[in-house]
Amino acid sequence: DSGVTQTPKHLITATGQRVTLRCSPRSGDLSVYWYQQSLDQGLQFLIQYYNGEERAKGNILERFSAQQFPDLHSELNLSSLELGDSALYFCASSARSRDEKLFFGSGTQLSVL
Amino acid sequence: GQSLEQPSEVTAVEGAIVQINCTYQTSGFYGLSWYQQHDGGAPTFLSYNALDGLEETGRFSSFLSRSDSYGYLLLQELQMKDSASYFCAVRKDDKIIFGKGTRLHILP
Repeated sequence: DSGVTQTPKHLITATGQRVTLRCSPRSGDLSVYWYQQSLDQGLQFLIQYYNGEERAKGNILERFSAQQFPDLHSELNLSSLELGDSALYFCASSARSRDEKLFFGSGTQLSVL
Repeated sequence: GQSLEQPSEVTAVEGAIVQINCTYQTSGFYGLSWYQQHDGGAPTFLSYNALDGLEETGRFSSFLSRSDSYGYLLLQELQMKDSASYFCAVRKDDKIIFGKGTRLHILP
């Protein structure tokens, strides 16, 4: 158990809908990363937050947004969902902004039908 | 930009040794990390090399050559439970970028 909690574990929704994925980092960790993993694809970096502030953005679609709250949990919002958004979404945390060791949650499997 | 190249698949025999290579292109290189991911599981951190040379942790070792922009993960005394995908990763400022992963198949 990495100590990173992601909910829900599975999400099935329809095209055009909006969903929110939630992540609670390890106790004491200030940094949260979001990654997308599609079938046979690597881990695509989406966005990183540190202590409530956005620090880095990857190839995140405009339909996607995220935030980190004062209690350090983070949410990833996906809107106007398309079939191609079906993927495994991972959250990871680390103590500081540039720690090399990330602790990953178990992921949220999103299926868009 | 950053790019990492690693083989998509590697096959080895139980009890043997296997090496998974990773070459990278990135500006502002800090070091190379390795992660393991079992099917249906989350990636877990294995190792990090900031300096040239070999780092050993039990059956797993990781090597880095900064001058060659190259590293590898060495797995010894392979066990069936080592069947997984292995990802190399580099940091670019506040991002950690992963390679596409190498799927390790182990034959009994």
